[in-house]
Amino acid sequence: DIQMTQSPSSLSASVGDRVTITCRASQSISSCVNWYQQKPGKAPKPLIYAASSLYSGVPSRFSGSGSGTDFTLTISNLQPEDFATYYCQQCYTRWTFGQGTKVEFK
Amino acid sequence: EVQLVESGGGLVQPGGSLRLSCEASGFTFSNYWMSWVRQGPGKGLEWVANIKQDGSEKYYMDFVKGRFTISRDNAKNSLYLQMNSLRVEDTAIYYCTRLLGVSFGAVTMYHFDYWGQGTLATVSS
Repeated sequence: DIQMTQSPSSLSASVGDRVTITCRASQSISSCVNWYQQKPGKAPKPLIYAASSLYSGVPSRFSGSGSGTDFTLTISNLQPEDFATYYCQQCYTRWTFGQGTKVEFK
Repeated sequence: EVQLVESGGGLVQPGGSLRLSCEASGFTFSNYWMSWVRQGPGKGLEWVANIKQDGSEKYYMDFVKGRFTISRDNAKNSLYLQMNSLRVEDTAIYYCTRLLGVSFGAVTMYHFDYWGQGTLATVSS
């Protein structure tokens, strides 16, 4: 199975910061990576699909990039509602998720 | 409005069974792949199983193969997960999700675009 290694596992940031989360696949997966946001007690919500396409209704401060094995989720100008846990997920074969990155308030 | 509503979770002893259900509304259910994704207490997300629109193809994570069965009834707009031989490690919130495919030339990439609120299955003696 394809493993997705996400880093960091947690980070502290302030409102207005630029935040970068990375995900590395154990083999090349083209651009088949999605990103989700999850808040406590809630179901995840899609943010980015196919590595860099913004899901409908998601603010433009969220962006994704990468192909092959290395992928990045960037949140520019972090807002209070962005404090949450973020997951990458590969869709190349038999879907697997990264371990998650918790974005906490500094 | 797309809605996915799960039910059927509960407390069961190791070795027991549970049948989860998901009732879909707000979209043409028979047009979409559907999936179950789970999340153990305090843990990350884990894909469990997928089923094709007509039920002709099914895929499972290795850990549940032979124990769990995904199925659907398009006439009832419903998705199911029959879970047998349950283990303590299967304790999790189980989410019903819709898979949306987006074509990029000759390639279609899928993501989970709608999620239910989840149903908790607890396996404990």
